[in-house]
Parts: sequence; structure tokens; C-alpha cells
Amino acid sequence: NAGVTQTPKFQVLKTGQSMTLQCAQDMNHNSMYWYRQDPGMGLRLIYYSASEGTTDKGEVPNGYNVSRLNKREFSLRLESAAPSQTSVYFCASSERGPEAFFGQGTRLTVV
Amino acid sequence: AQSVTQPDIHITVSEGASLELRCNYSYGATPYLFWYVQSPGQGLQLLLKYFSGDTLVQGIKGFEAEFKRSQSSFNLRKPSVHWSDAAQYFCAVGAGYSTLTFGKGTMLLVSP
Repeated sequence: NAGVTQTPKFQVLKTGQSMTLQCAQDMNHNSMYWYRQDPGMGLRLIYYSASEGTTDKGEVPNGYNVSRLNKREFSLRLESAAPSQTSVYFCASSERGPEAFFGQGTRLTVV
Repeated sequence: AQSVTQPDIHITVSEGASLELRCNYSYGATPYLFWYVQSPGQGLQLLLKYFSGDTLVQGIKGFEAEFKRSQSSFNLRKPSVHWSDAAQYFCAVGAGYSTLTFGKGTMLLVSP
């Protein structure tokens, strides 16, 4: 009954450090997404993967990379973290089409 | 390009009063429309969705929304608000195999 699981839940990074946010879904969904949420901005799409083996840029991809490791897992990597990447990151998945199911989020602070 | 406007950043409603949250969208074809709710520190939970058919859709927790094509709107309503409804509400639009585009959200505060 887990749905979409994100790790870690909280992270503090220093500017220039790298890290990978992990996401796994157990609903056998084809599509997976990474969003960031900032105050007053709603959710903005960073990258998505329409199916295993494909990834595409969203609205705000700069500074990020993604890997669709298999059908279940979709990771988001920050190679050199910047304070502007302080945000709450959400992973989501969908079977087909836009109806998405969300994880609980990762709260990232870059100092 | 698709877009969503939620004109109210904050709304305060008395407990037991009715609620309407506004959402206007821009999309070139027939949209799929969604309302999500986010409680503090939590992820987003789907409240309801419209794909086609009856323009009045029912969701969880007693919420409903009405799709009005002529007004490009998909407003969320609830007849009687409970304190536990205090949260942030997001309207979103998508279609077919596209991704979701979200509005900036409306924060609902419930006063006693």
C-alpha cells in the first residue's frame, strides 16, 4: 500500500555538494515525474519519464539530471547544489495520461 | 501552452459555511481537470477529476466541482466546511498523454 515513496524526507546540503533524490512506485505505472514546489509558485515540472527508457525536460530542468532506473524507480540528481534549489521536491507517477499520484515530498535546503 | 489561474491566494471561511475555490484554465483542446489538496507537510491528494461527461463531478471529503467550458472554469465547492479542510488546494490541467500544469494554489483557512 506504499504508492510513491521518496527518500530522503529532509536534506540539508552545502552549496556545491551533490545528491540524488530517490523515488519508487509500486503501482506498476508507466510514467513518472519530478516536480518542485516553491512558495507562491505552485508545482513546476522538472523532468518526466513517459515510459521506461525515456526522459524529457519539463518547465525547470536546469541544474538537474534524472535517471529512469527501471519501471519502478526514477531518481533526480543535483550535481552542484545551489541555494536557488532550496525547495520541496515531489515525485509522482501515473498509469497513462495526466492523473498523477504523489509521494510525500523531500524538503531540501541548500546553504 | 496550457495554464491555470487560481485568483485567490488565501481564503478564510467560517466553519460550517459554504466554500467555492475558483479555477480558470487555458487549453487548446478538451482538458482533463483536477483538484488536489495538500495538508501541511504532506504530499498532494487527488480530490476529484473531470475527463468528460457530466460536468458536475463529485469527489472525496464532500467536495464537488463544475466544469464550465464557456467560462473555462472548474470551480471547487463544498456546502459546509469543516476545520479539517484547512489546507492548500491546487487546480491542475492536462490532456491525453500530456503532463499536468498546476495553478499556484489557494490556501484555505477555516475560522471557528
